[in-house]
Amino acid sequence: NAGVTQTPKFQVLKTGQSMTLQCAQDMNHEYMSWYRQDPGMGLRLIHYSVGAGITDQGEVPNGYNVSRSTTEDFPLRLLSAAPSQTSVYFCASSYSNVPAGETQYFGPGTRLLVL
Amino acid sequence: RKEVEQDPGPFNVPEGATVAFNCTYSNSASQSFFWYRQDCRKEPKLLMSVYSSGNEDGRFTAQLNRASQYISLLIRDSKLSDSATYLCVVSNSGYALNFGKGTSLLVTP
Repeated sequence: NAGVTQTPKFQVLKTGQSMTLQCAQDMNHEYMSWYRQDPGMGLRLIHYSVGAGITDQGEVPNGYNVSRSTTEDFPLRLLSAAPSQTSVYFCASSYSNVPAGETQYFGPGTRLLVL
Repeated sequence: RKEVEQDPGPFNVPEGATVAFNCTYSNSASQSFFWYRQDCRKEPKLLMSVYSSGNEDGRFTAQLNRASQYISLLIRDSKLSDSATYLCVVSNSGYALNFGKGTSLLVTP
């Protein structure tokens, strides 16, 4: 199993550009989520999904869209990049569709710089 | 007030030392508790879950005090390879996991 994979590893964008961060898992996990990690802020939940076709907002959803058309994939879309979205983005998944009590498996992260 | 609070450190300790981290949480309804480890520029990985009765995994011991709403992690006989950031994670009955900002540990020769 590859676990949780994320692409790209690094990305530089200009303000106003859009892009999609890819996340895939091959563990047949129901729950998937996106976090951003900023210095001094810890990980903050952006969006999450409890199964194919079901998504919901986390703590900091503004400026991001998600969809979950398959169990395996959970892409994160930046609609119009802003410098405040410069961050490290982690995708995570867990077996159950309720993450409480479940081990979260994280991808290696995408480092995004918005100029 | 952030839901999970940790002392950011850094904690600088010599090899072989014992070091303890504490974490406090604000939601008394919290149900699940974890410690994750994050190496520099890497993803977080589960170190151990924390149970009400306390639990131990080799050199690592985790304790939960529900009455005072704090969680602790004790590392005995510190190794150079223990140098990392330790994240306290608390979840409620819903879908959100709340991460502390992390405590940085540096073990020196």
